[in-house]
Amino acid sequence: GAVVSQHPSRVICKSGTSVKIECRSLDFQATTMFWYRQFPKQSLMLMATSNEGSKATYEQGVEKDKFLINHASLTLSTLTVTSAHPEDSSFYICSARQYPGLAGITDTQYFGPGTRLTVL
Amino acid sequence: AQKVTQAQTEISVVEKEDVTLDCVYETRDTTYYLFWYKQPPSGELVFLIRRNSFDEQNEISGRYSWNFQKSTSSFNFTITASQVVDSAVYFCALSPPVDTGRRALTFGSGTRLQVQP
Repeated sequence: GAVVSQHPSRVICKSGTSVKIECRSLDFQATTMFWYRQFPKQSLMLMATSNEGSKATYEQGVEKDKFLINHASLTLSTLTVTSAHPEDSSFYICSARQYPGLAGITDTQYFGPGTRLTVL
Repeated sequence: AQKVTQAQTEISVVEKEDVTLDCVYETRDTTYYLFWYKQPPSGELVFLIRRNSFDEQNEISGRYSWNFQKSTSSFNFTITASQVVDSAVYFCALSPPVDTGRRALTFGSGTRLQVQP
């Protein structure tokens, strides 16, 4: 089946630093990738939708200047948490939508394993 | 707007018991997709099932079964003869129809299942 990877899986940083998280679709092309955030013992909340070659669409309440998203290719999207603060500590999960149109390929989404960010 | 409600916050059962996780959804779309995911302590989401809104046939996969009832907007998940390895948080989710550009999932709040030996 399709595989989505995230790197790093875990990161600890000091307050004020920036952290970049990569989301890669390993064996398929993803026209759209989604970034979710999950606080402890809570559900996943969509942060933004990332489309290859265009600007990301952010959900209401998500600061686009703080959470920079770049989707430079059909297999890679990055989320950069700028000037991270302790309240940004969370589990960040990406998902990738498989590019439809190829014979036998169904339109579906695959989730990465997540990145646990801890800001001290 | 779409909404998914999982009223059961936490369920604790003893191994070999059957357990049903409830999921109720709201959407204005006439077609949509419903999902169940399992999230073990590692955090990685494990895909369990995807159901099209036009397919109300119930499904069974081993010890897992799903009951989709459009009339009550419910998509319940039953684990038969539960095992300790079933302990996890289970999420029900909903996504827009195929013809929209956005296919992000709306997740329920999750149900934490603890299976005691």
